[in-house]
Amino acid sequence: AQSVTQLGSHVSVSEGALVLLRCNYSSSVPPYLFWYVQYPNQGLQLLLKYTSAATLVKGINGFEAEFKKSETSFHLTKPSAHMSDAAEYFCAASSGSSNTGKLIFGQGTTLQVKP
Amino acid sequence: ETGVTQSPTHLIKTRGQQVTLRCSSQSGHNTVSWYQQALGQGPQFIFQYYREEENGRGNFPPRFSGLQFPNYSSELNVNALELDDSALYLCASSRARDGLSNYGYTFGSGTRLTVV
Repeated sequence: AQSVTQLGSHVSVSEGALVLLRCNYSSSVPPYLFWYVQYPNQGLQLLLKYTSAATLVKGINGFEAEFKKSETSFHLTKPSAHMSDAAEYFCAASSGSSNTGKLIFGQGTTLQVKP
Repeated sequence: ETGVTQSPTHLIKTRGQQVTLRCSSQSGHNTVSWYQQALGQGPQFIFQYYREEENGRGNFPPRFSGLQFPNYSSELNVNALELDDSALYLCASSRARDGLSNYGYTFGSGTRLTVV
């Protein structure tokens, strides 16, 4: 069964520092991969998605992620953290092999940005 | 586009009761999915509807049921509520049947259900 693992439930960085949130997936075929952000008391907002095109995916708010098949990873990065980036981040995968496109989510990573 | 609207935002129910959560999708969004997000966890897929028919279901018991209406609204019904049903329930809609095209899914802000 497909699964998504996010390494580190909490990540703390200083404002202006590099953000790196880790995500590994388990799948027999390259899946569709997504990163979502969730602010308190809000729903999920799509940051970026990989759909078998370019392996380096650029998203909104300066975030990007690189698909590495050999490592089954899809880590999220941002060169310089901003206070407004503090939120919960979820990595998700979908096999694309069914009609549902259901998303399998990781446990989430809370990003704290210190001034 | 108006986005995805869920109601109510918060709800408290007693164990054993029944609850109906509502979602209003954007016009043209024929696909709606429901997810359960327990505290500190990632969302889990409950089921998906496409053009008013269920076309996928996650590992949830039959007491979780749904409906999708022609006006792009939908409902999630939960019978015989249990304490573990306390969670944030998210609705997501898409123009695409599988939600994986460029359209993707648009998520609502969720309904926070507390079962006491």
